Amino acid sequence: EPEVTQTPSHQVTQMGQEVILRCVPISNHLYFYWYRQILGQKVEFLVSFYNNEISEKSEIFDDQFSVERPDGSNFTLKIRSTKLEDSAMYFCASSAYRGNQPQHFGDGTRLSIL
Amino acid sequence: AQTVTQSQPEMSVQEAETVTLSCTYDTSENNYYLFWYKQPPSRQMILVIRQEAYKQQNATENRFSVNFQKAAKSFSLKISDSQLGDTAMYFCAFGGQGGSEKLVFGKGTKLTVNP
Repeated sequence: EPEVTQTPSHQVTQMGQEVILRCVPISNHLYFYWYRQILGQKVEFLVSFYNNEISEKSEIFDDQFSVERPDGSNFTLKIRSTKLEDSAMYFCASSAYRGNQPQHFGDGTRLSIL
Repeated sequence: AQTVTQSQPEMSVQEAETVTLSCTYDTSENNYYLFWYKQPPSRQMILVIRQEAYKQQNATENRFSVNFQKAAKSFSLKISDSQLGDTAMYFCAFGGQGGSEKLVFGKGTKLTVNP
């Protein structure tokens, strides 16, 4: 069964450094998402992306964050200058259609900011 | 704004027994989706079951079934014949159809299946 894949599984970064989290969505999916989960808390929406542009973003997704689909397969989340509070699990998800046909999640990237 | 409430932070069940996890939500939309996701200790997010709000029939997926009460805005998950591998966090999620594509999650219920 097709899967969403995320790399790396764990990223450790010094505060203030830039970090790029990578995702390969399911190949025929058109809608892409990033969520984050701070340890022990619920999963929170960050951003959705369709047709090479952001379709929706949350208040968490400030100017430090950006997303990109640099080629036909990868979908990346960049954090320009990381803060301690960015430490979290970051999940990528994709879906085939609009209207919340199921979003399929990757295994996540655990980001630890030191 | 939609909200999702899971009132049971933790539950436990004996292997082979049945357990029901509760979820309520608030929305002004008429058409939407509801989901249950499972997050085992490995921290993947696995889709367990999905319900379309316009369907009256409750969704079923093998040992997993839901009790969807649209008027009460309630969406509980029943796990029959519980197995040790069902031990996980279970998240209820709301997905609207009114333009927003995001999923809104509850805080989760930690389910432990005891041998």
